[in-house]
Amino acid sequence: EAQVTQNPRYLITVTGKKLTVTCSQNMNHEYMSWYRQDPGLGLRQIYYSMNVEVTDKGDVPEGYKVSRKEKRNFPLILESPSPNQTSLYFCASSLSSPGLVNSPLHFGNGTRLTVT
Amino acid sequence: SQQGEEDPQALSIQEGENATMNCSYKTSINNLQWYRQNSGRGLVHLILIRSNEREKHSGRLRVTLDTSKKSSSLLITASRAADTASYFCATDASSWGKLQFGAGTQVVVTP
Repeated sequence: EAQVTQNPRYLITVTGKKLTVTCSQNMNHEYMSWYRQDPGLGLRQIYYSMNVEVTDKGDVPEGYKVSRKEKRNFPLILESPSPNQTSLYFCASSLSSPGLVNSPLHFGNGTRLTVT
Repeated sequence: SQQGEEDPQALSIQEGENATMNCSYKTSINNLQWYRQNSGRGLVHLILIRSNEREKHSGRLRVTLDTSKKSSSLLITASRAADTASYFCATDASSWGKLQFGAGTQVVVTP
């Protein structure tokens, strides 16, 4: 089944403790992206990657890191999490740029992160 | 800042009724997309309308686009309880590879 898999689904951590949220897609998509979703703010893009070894900042990249060493994986790293990073995180992928016809975004089921 | 803004923020209707929601955006676009999100789940792509199209249909969905007003509408006809979800518009205006979403319209369809 074609899918985007995020892990974990739920994560509770403390301020300053480094964490990684994994994301993997099995559709051979070139484009991958991370979003965070907060009430009333919709989805805001954190980072995106057009292909292997190519990453770019989205609208809210501060406090996050990503890497794209393999086409299928795009982990999100929080080196020193803070309470304002408590949010619902989504990984997504698409064949090419998601603004193109026939290249819609496919989303994972989300990771709910709480930082205390 | 958000490119797309949905209106209304929330909508409650009964099964069988039509649901209409609107999206306004700020800058020129190539395409506009609509996505659905069931509670707490990932978004699912519904439909894409190109900037040179004015109307598009997919099943019970009808999307219109008015580039002169920088707005789009999504109409769900004969709504069902399963249509209960949040609906988001997304645009690619800012730059290649960046798809920006609005805050969404929460739709509740009661039997």
